[in-house]
Amino acid sequence: AQSVAQPEDQVNVAEGNPLTVKCTYSVSGNPYLFWYVQYPNRGLQFLLKYITGDNLVKGSYGFEAEFNKSQTSFHLKKPSALVSDSALYFCAFYPDTGRRALTFGSGTRLQVQP
Amino acid sequence: DARVTQTPRDKVTEMGQEVTMRCQPILGHNTVFWYRQTMMQGLELLAYFRNRAPLDDSGMPKDRFSAEMPDATLATLKIQPSEPRDSAVYFCASGLVLFGQGARWNEQFFGPGTRLTVL
Repeated sequence: AQSVAQPEDQVNVAEGNPLTVKCTYSVSGNPYLFWYVQYPNRGLQFLLKYITGDNLVKGSYGFEAEFNKSQTSFHLKKPSALVSDSALYFCAFYPDTGRRALTFGSGTRLQVQP
Repeated sequence: DARVTQTPRDKVTEMGQEVTMRCQPILGHNTVFWYRQTMMQGLELLAYFRNRAPLDDSGMPKDRFSAEMPDATLATLKIQPSEPRDSAVYFCASGLVLFGQGARWNEQFFGPGTRLTVL
């Protein structure tokens, strides 16, 4: 079955340090991959997407993600973390068969310490 | 700044009562999705619509849940009768998907959610 996996339930990083939130995918065909962020008591906000083209995708709030076909990964990165980046992050994809709706990973909680 | 809106934001009800959640998608979007979020199950897709027609509702308990789009500006999710296990945050999302040849699946935009508590 097609899926995305987020291997870390939580990531802790100090403010100012680079951050990485991991996502690996098992998707047939050309993957449509997305990152969303959820702040407490809020809906999900779109950060960035990979459809085709450049493997490095830049998104909102200084985030970027690198699509790596050989490693089937789509890790979210930011060069310098802010305390305000603390939130729940979801990787997602569109299956190319069956239910054509965004399917989400389990989420990774990012905690940025001052 | 176009947004998906949802009402009510919070709902507390007793078991057995009917619950109706409403969503106004972004004008011009052709797909609408309903998701449910719980600690145990994460984000689950309940149903989705394309051009107001239901495409898939296999994620919903059919005997108690129903989803409709009476017009392009309103999507509803009803639970009747509600049960404590339905307690969750329900999100509506909309998106613009280009179907057919050269199909393009774009991002979805989420509403703030309805927090449902069934006692």
